[in-house]
Amino acid sequence: KAGVTQTPRYLIKTRGQQVTLSCSPISGHRSVSWYQQTPGQGLQFLFEYFSETQRNKGNFPGRFSGRQFSNSRSEMNVSTLELGDSALYLCASSSRMNTEAFFGQGTRLTVV
Amino acid sequence: DAKTTQPNSMESNEEEPVHLPCNHSTISGTDYIHWYRQLPSQGPEYVIHGLTSNVNNRMASLAIAEDRKSSTLILHRATLRDAAVYYCILRDNSGGSNYKLTFGKGTLLTVNP
Repeated sequence: KAGVTQTPRYLIKTRGQQVTLSCSPISGHRSVSWYQQTPGQGLQFLFEYFSETQRNKGNFPGRFSGRQFSNSRSEMNVSTLELGDSALYLCASSSRMNTEAFFGQGTRLTVV
Repeated sequence: DAKTTQPNSMESNEEEPVHLPCNHSTISGTDYIHWYRQLPSQGPEYVIHGLTSNVNNRMASLAIAEDRKSSTLILHRATLRDAAVYYCILRDNSGGSNYKLTFGKGTLLTVNP
């Protein structure tokens, strides 16, 4: 069974640009969550989608958004990038029956 | 979200048991205790979870205090590959926050050869 796949693995963007990150969950998993990891703040929850609906949202500005498609694949978008958005962005998927979350390897975003 | 408290770091020797403690004095009746670990340059990895009874799986054991205000993750024989940050997380299974994980700082485990 393939794991959670995140693309791209690495990304360099300039301040003010926008970026879209992609996450393909494990087959059959309908919940996809996104997390931001920085050295200063650690792992922080961004949002969670289930069956194309956002169910939970963390404490991040509106520049951070996401969506989920009918095949459960998810994208997150960050607009008007700031230097502080440099981080490892992690995606996790869960099935309705299991309680554990499976994480991808993340996308390392660097804003210059 | 209920809070957990873990030591910042712990050290162990290879092939010895490791006991990683976690305090969660404000745990509610619907909170499950989850443990994840994050190896260097990787995403977090599920280790084990439990509600009231002690749990065992191929990776580790979870010992939960009778009052559920603390728990201990036990690695029976530490290997160098177990060096990671270990997170103890309370996960509310009662409603819409089912799939949200609130990570603390975790415990950095160093395993000496």
